[in-house]
Amino acid sequence: GNSVTQMEGPVTLSEEAFLTINCTYTATGYPSLFWYVQYPGEGLQLLLKATKADDKGSNKGFEATYRKETTSFHLEKGSVQVSDSAVYFCALAPITGNQFYFGTGTSLTVIP
Amino acid sequence: DAMVIQNPRYQVTQFGKPVTLSCSQTLNHNVMYWYQQKSSQAPKLLFHYYDKDFNNEADTPDNFQSRRPNTSFCFLDIRSPGLGDTAMYLCATSREGVQAGNEQFFGPGTRLTVL
Repeated sequence: GNSVTQMEGPVTLSEEAFLTINCTYTATGYPSLFWYVQYPGEGLQLLLKATKADDKGSNKGFEATYRKETTSFHLEKGSVQVSDSAVYFCALAPITGNQFYFGTGTSLTVIP
Repeated sequence: DAMVIQNPRYQVTQFGKPVTLSCSQTLNHNVMYWYQQKSSQAPKLLFHYYDKDFNNEADTPDNFQSRRPNTSFCFLDIRSPGLGDTAMYLCATSREGVQAGNEQFFGPGTRLTVL
């Protein structure tokens, strides 16, 4: 079946530290992969996506590369800011059906 | 700006008292989704509409119903809310099915509290 396994949090980093949030998936074929971010009290916002193997999604300094060989889509940012504090969700859209499969979310707190 | 709008943002209801949550979209997307998100958990899909075709998830309680009277609006009806239905309810849209790599656009959510 389809599933997403996401690094557990919470994660606390100092400002300007390097961020990695691990995400691996199980799916048939080549699903599309997404990272969404949720700020406190708000809905989810798309951060980046990749739709085929070796694609790199990037936005606001965040990057993730679709690795078919390791079934991974790890989120990285070279230098986090306090404003990056949020919950990050990895998600998968399979090649059939209309359902997203979300990971459990990783809470990130960045301290000055 | 084109967007997904949810009303109300906060709703408090009594145990067993029916409640309706509203979602509207200006994106003219074909697909609309309702998710339930409990504290510190991932969103859980309740159901979705592809145009007028309704798709219910197998484990969505019968207590939850939905209506989509037109392309722009979708409603979530909870007929007899229980304490366990306290959650954030998220509405989302996508232009076509997500299997083509189409992203979902989320509204800000309605935080429902059942007392």
